[in-house]
Amino acid sequence: DAGVTQSPTHLIKTRGQHVTLRCSPISGHKSVSWYQQVLGQGPQFIFQYYEKEERGRGNFPDRFSARQFPNYSSELNVNALLLGDSALYLCASSVGRGGNYGYTFGSGTRLTVV
Amino acid sequence: GEDVEQSLFLSVREGDSSVINCTYTDSSSTYLYWYKQEPGAGLQLLTYIFSNMDMKQDQRLTVLLNKKDKHLSLRIADTQTGDSAIYFCAEKDEGSSNTGKLIFGQGTTLQVKP
Repeated sequence: DAGVTQSPTHLIKTRGQHVTLRCSPISGHKSVSWYQQVLGQGPQFIFQYYEKEERGRGNFPDRFSARQFPNYSSELNVNALLLGDSALYLCASSVGRGGNYGYTFGSGTRLTVV
Repeated sequence: GEDVEQSLFLSVREGDSSVINCTYTDSSSTYLYWYKQEPGAGLQLLTYIFSNMDMKQDQRLTVLLNKKDKHLSLRIADTQTGDSAIYFCAEKDEGSSNTGKLIFGQGTTLQVKP
């Protein structure tokens, strides 16, 4: 059974550009969360989507947005990229909304903004 | 706000036991987690503990929870070179309307010397 898959694995963008990151959860998982991990730090919560609706949002500017599709896959969009957006972006999926048994993470997308 | 703290670095000899410590602030957290991150990879869920438990053992891993002191530890018995990685402690944020948001510590780098 495939785990959480993210694409692309690596990405280089220029300041001011827009980026879309994609995530496919484990089959049967209806919840997808997005985290940003800056080098040397722990992951920071960006969004959670459950049953195609936003259920939670972290302390990130409106330049960050996301959505979840009917097949439960998800996209994270970041507009007007800043150098500080350079990070590993992690997607995690869970069966339920509360993640009580832990989330399964993908390998991430490494975004570099130059 | 909620915070999770860990020591940044631990070095042990192969075959010894490793103990990684973590403190958290949200006394209402129902679940606490340990994740492992190898270089260039995503997060791997190692184990989790429910807040009404004091201890959980899973093969070489032992988790101890002191809810009074809000202290969590992960003991790895017979540490191997393959255990070298960054270990993250995380608590489930119960104040976020059941979003399943996880709050991570900064991570402890475990170095295992042969």
